[in-house]
Amino acid sequence: EAQVTQNPRYLITVTGKKLTVTCSQNMNHEYMSWYRQDPGLGLRQIYYSMNVEVTDKGDVPEGYKVSRKEKRNFPLILESPSPNQTSLYFCASSGLAGDEQYFGPGTRLTVT
Amino acid sequence: QKEVEQDPGPLSVPEGAIVSLNCTYSNSAFQYFMWYRQYSRKGPELLMYTYSSGNKEDGRFTAQVDKSSKYISLFIRDSQPSDSATYLCAMKGSGTYKYIFGTGTRLKVLA
Repeated sequence: EAQVTQNPRYLITVTGKKLTVTCSQNMNHEYMSWYRQDPGLGLRQIYYSMNVEVTDKGDVPEGYKVSRKEKRNFPLILESPSPNQTSLYFCASSGLAGDEQYFGPGTRLTVT
Repeated sequence: QKEVEQDPGPLSVPEGAIVSLNCTYSNSAFQYFMWYRQYSRKGPELLMYTYSSGNKEDGRFTAQVDKSSKYISLFIRDSQPSDSATYLCAMKGSGTYKYIFGTGTRLKVLA
């Protein structure tokens, strides 16, 4: 089954404790992206990657890091999480930018 | 001013009604327009994808793009309770990998 998986699905952590949210796709897609979704603000793009070792900033990259060492994986790293990063995070992938994006199930992160 | 504006709703309609969902945008460089449906506690799924101006129909769904007015619409005919969800518009320019999403409109179709 073609899918995008994210782990963990739910995470509660404390300010400053480094964390990684993993994202993996099994569709051999070149393009992958991370979004955060907040009430009243909608989906905002954090980072995206056009292929292995190629990444670029979206609209809200501050406080986040990404890496793309393998085509199927695109982890999101929060080096020092803060409460304003409490949000619902989605990973997405597509074969070509502008083509259909497949979204993962989401990761709900709470930073206290 | 946000690049993309979308009425958050909620919009409540009776089963069988025609639903009209809309977004306005300010960036004339947008060329690709999408509508996503998001059920509660799920990731968004693509419903419609259009390039430039015009209409596109897929079953009960019709997407319209009016670039001169910077206005896009999604029509749902014969709405069903299973259509109850949040509908997100999204758009991007040509040659860019950046997507801009609307805030979403929550739709409730009453049986």
